[in-house]
Amino acid sequence: DVKVTQSSRYLVKRTGEKVFLECVQDMDHENMFWYRQDPGLGLRLIYFSYDVKMKEKGDIPEGYSVSREKKERFSLILESASTNQTSMYLCASSYRQGGNQPQHFGDGTRLSIL
Amino acid sequence: AQKITQTQPGMFVQEKEAVTLDCTYDTSDPSYGLFWYKQPSSGEMIFLIYQGSYDQQNATEGRYSLNFQKARKSANLVISASQLGDSAMYFCAMREAPLNYGGATNKLIFGTGTLLAVQP
Repeated sequence: DVKVTQSSRYLVKRTGEKVFLECVQDMDHENMFWYRQDPGLGLRLIYFSYDVKMKEKGDIPEGYSVSREKKERFSLILESASTNQTSMYLCASSYRQGGNQPQHFGDGTRLSIL
Repeated sequence: AQKITQTQPGMFVQEKEAVTLDCTYDTSDPSYGLFWYKQPSSGEMIFLIYQGSYDQQNATEGRYSLNFQKARKSANLVISASQLGDSAMYFCAMREAPLNYGGATNKLIFGTGTLLAVQP
């Protein structure tokens, strides 16, 4: 089974802090994704990566950056956390080829910025 | 622009009955894929079923089936014989990039979800 592991289920940080959310997958997937989920808005794509050191902005990249130094690991960085970044963050991965390949998700990180 | 619409914010269904969750989509690409995910209260997203735009038959996976009506641009999820464990949020999603991009993105666009409550 595919395993996507997010480093924390719950995280509480202060405004202005630099926050790192880590995601690791064990299926040698080329693609990795970071979403945030807010009530009534569904999942919105922040950033994705289709190869090591490659990244592309999603729909809501402002205030975030990402890093992918190894194929299995994709990090989301909140450069200076703000209260409007309080949300559920979901990491996902998938194979690059094959349009029928689903994205596999981690358990999510509930981040609170105080 | 591609878009997914789920018009039912929440639904109730009696245990053992069938339920249909609505999903409509908008795209100008001839090649696309549609996915359904389940999200229990614990938070993880569970892949349920996939339908490709060129698939001739409606997809089925156990108690899940997809009522795919291409001309109407709808891809409704049908859950037969509902169980208490089916209570969850359900998301419809569409693969954004056509396959001739070399599969480089496989980005998904998600709807806002439908919260299903199964009553005993």
